Amino acid sequence: EIVLTQSPGTLSLSPGEKATLSCRASQSVSNNYLAWYQQKPGQAPRLLIYGASSRATGFPDRFSGSGSGTDFTLTISRLEPEDFAVYYCQQYGSLPRTFGQGTKVEIK
Amino acid sequence: EVQLVESGGDLVQPGGSLRLSCAASGLVFSTYAMSWVRQAPGKGLEWVAGIRGGGDTVHYADSVKGRFTISRDNSKNTLYLEMNSLRAGDTATYYCAAHYGDYLNRFDLWGQGTLVTVSS
Repeated sequence: EIVLTQSPGTLSLSPGEKATLSCRASQSVSNNYLAWYQQKPGQAPRLLIYGASSRATGFPDRFSGSGSGTDFTLTISRLEPEDFAVYYCQQYGSLPRTFGQGTKVEIK
Repeated sequence: EVQLVESGGDLVQPGGSLRLSCAASGLVFSTYAMSWVRQAPGKGLEWVAGIRGGGDTVHYADSVKGRFTISRDNSKNTLYLEMNSLRAGDTATYYCAAHYGDYLNRFDLWGQGTLVTVSS
């Protein structure tokens, strides 16, 4: 089983600042099959990034994903008020599908 | 509009059983792999089980293998999760999710979830 470790657990930032979230895998994620999801309180998760760097429909270009192998990053270039949420990474290169424990981006 | 709507969540005693349903609309259901993903209160996401479009290929997380059964009825556009021998640790909101195409890859679309509480 691939274990995904996200850091930091919580990121306290102000609107307009840059957010950098990390996701590290215990072994290489095949074909960079790594996704990111955004979850707001009381809502279901929503696909944000797939294939490590492709942005899903509906998300602006201030969101970007990068990385390969075992190290992946989600960057939010300039935080908007609606971006404060919990972000999860997930690998779909091997079974079982696994998620990281999440990074909460909160308003400072 | 593509939509997934879960139902069947309830309060159940330890050792009990429950069946969850997920009704899909706005998509050609049989061409999509589907999964159940759960989230314990205040915790992260855990993939539970997945099934390919034809229903012939299924996979489970070790934590539920032998207790839960995923199935689908493509004529009714509905996904199911039969849960037996329920434990307190199964308490969670259960989401159904559609994958991109007929493979257990990224979770493209999510329902709003149904709450299962296992307690005496």
